[in-house]
Amino acid sequence: ELKVEQNPLFLSMQEGKNYTIYCNYSTTSDRLYWYRQDPGKSLESLFVLLSNGAVKQEGRLMASLDTKARLSTLHITAAVHDLSATYFCAVDMDSGGGADGLTFGKGTHLIIQP
Amino acid sequence: NAGVMQNPRHLVRRRGQEARLRCSPMKGHSHVYWYRQLPEEGLKFMVYLQKENIIDESGMPKERFSAEFPKEGPSILRIQQVVRGDSAAYFCASSPWTRNTQYFGPGTRLTVL
Repeated sequence: ELKVEQNPLFLSMQEGKNYTIYCNYSTTSDRLYWYRQDPGKSLESLFVLLSNGAVKQEGRLMASLDTKARLSTLHITAAVHDLSATYFCAVDMDSGGGADGLTFGKGTHLIIQP
Repeated sequence: NAGVMQNPRHLVRRRGQEARLRCSPMKGHSHVYWYRQLPEEGLKFMVYLQKENIIDESGMPKERFSAEFPKEGPSILRIQQVVRGDSAAYFCASSPWTRNTQYFGPGTRLTVL
């Protein structure tokens, strides 16, 4: 059974600081997603990482993937209040074709304070 | 291009009633996924459908739950004889082809009294 673990699960930080969210997964996969969810809202796709060593950046967020370590990171640079949300990583359940359901981590609840 | 549509957005049912949740995928998307989210939890995969076919229902409870995606019309997740434990947010996602980014709808928040 594929397991996806995020840490930390809760993070409170100040504006202007940098921090990293970690996502570990238990079985081989070559496709990892990061989503953002605001309270009471749906999930917004942030990044899809498709290969070992992939790095993608959008504004103050940067995501990377190490398939050998089964680890992805989401790095926040010079945080601003608008980035407060819950961030989920998700992995394909079946990298061999067939099922395409995603397995999600529990999410990192991020609060950025002025 | 409208996004994934779900209705109703909020649904209240009494124990023993039926709940029907609808999902219209993005235009051009023929792959639909249903997920359930409990409070303070991540999303749990339930079922993956293409038009008229259930591809994977490994996350669906064996009893009371069913899903369909007919040739015409939205995908429907049906929960019969609801119980309090069914209270959750149910999200639908769609993608244009297999192993592609899934785009999520706004969700249906089901409350069972």
